[in-house]
Amino acid sequence: DAKTTQPPSMDCAEGRAANLPCNHSTISGNEYVYWYRQIHSQGPQYIIHGLKNNETNEMASLIITEDRKSSTLILPHATLRDTAVYYCIVRRYSSASKIIFGSGTRLSIRP
Amino acid sequence: DTAVSQTPKYLVTQMGNDKSIKCEQNLGHDTMYWYKQDSKKFLKIMFSYNNKELIINETVPNRFSPKSPDKAHLNLHINSLELGDSAVYFCASSPLTGDLEKLFFGSGTQLSVL
Repeated sequence: DAKTTQPPSMDCAEGRAANLPCNHSTISGNEYVYWYRQIHSQGPQYIIHGLKNNETNEMASLIITEDRKSSTLILPHATLRDTAVYYCIVRRYSSASKIIFGSGTRLSIRP
Repeated sequence: DTAVSQTPKYLVTQMGNDKSIKCEQNLGHDTMYWYKQDSKKFLKIMFSYNNKELIINETVPNRFSPKSPDKAHLNLHINSLELGDSAVYFCASSPLTGDLEKLFFGSGTQLSVL
């Protein structure tokens, strides 16, 4: 699976859009980009995933660059409850290989 | 109803003891996992079971022995606990092996070995 690089921490004002970047320059053509988050004292939670098109669901939007070497997770109107560590993972869909979560980005939302 | 539940939430014990962590999922998933999250927050897979059969074992010391009595349960037994075993352990499940879109985690068990 391709390696990902994320900033260790970011902050955002409540009500504003939070944009979390992820670099995955070695991504292969059949690898998807997945985003998870982990709120303090809870297990990781799936947010969104995509292959090459931009995706949107009730939680967030995912923007993947045309060369697929980087992506951005967008939380359109951040709330205090979005304070969490956000993980970007790249892997083949339903791959049976091990899933590893890196150190992620710690997002802090300011009131 | 909790989808993936694990007990206990906190476990404090002495070195050398044997302890178990239980996990149950009510999602009807075929695959269950154990993950270990260390102090640097890296989350690494330890084991994966599909329909009660071991499919991934990530070079975990044999003091760690998972047991799956049925596909809804995956318990983790740890013998001769060491200081380095202190971590948060997460149970998870998914319908298919490696199905990241539908991977559900429990709330974790914080193990402290003194």
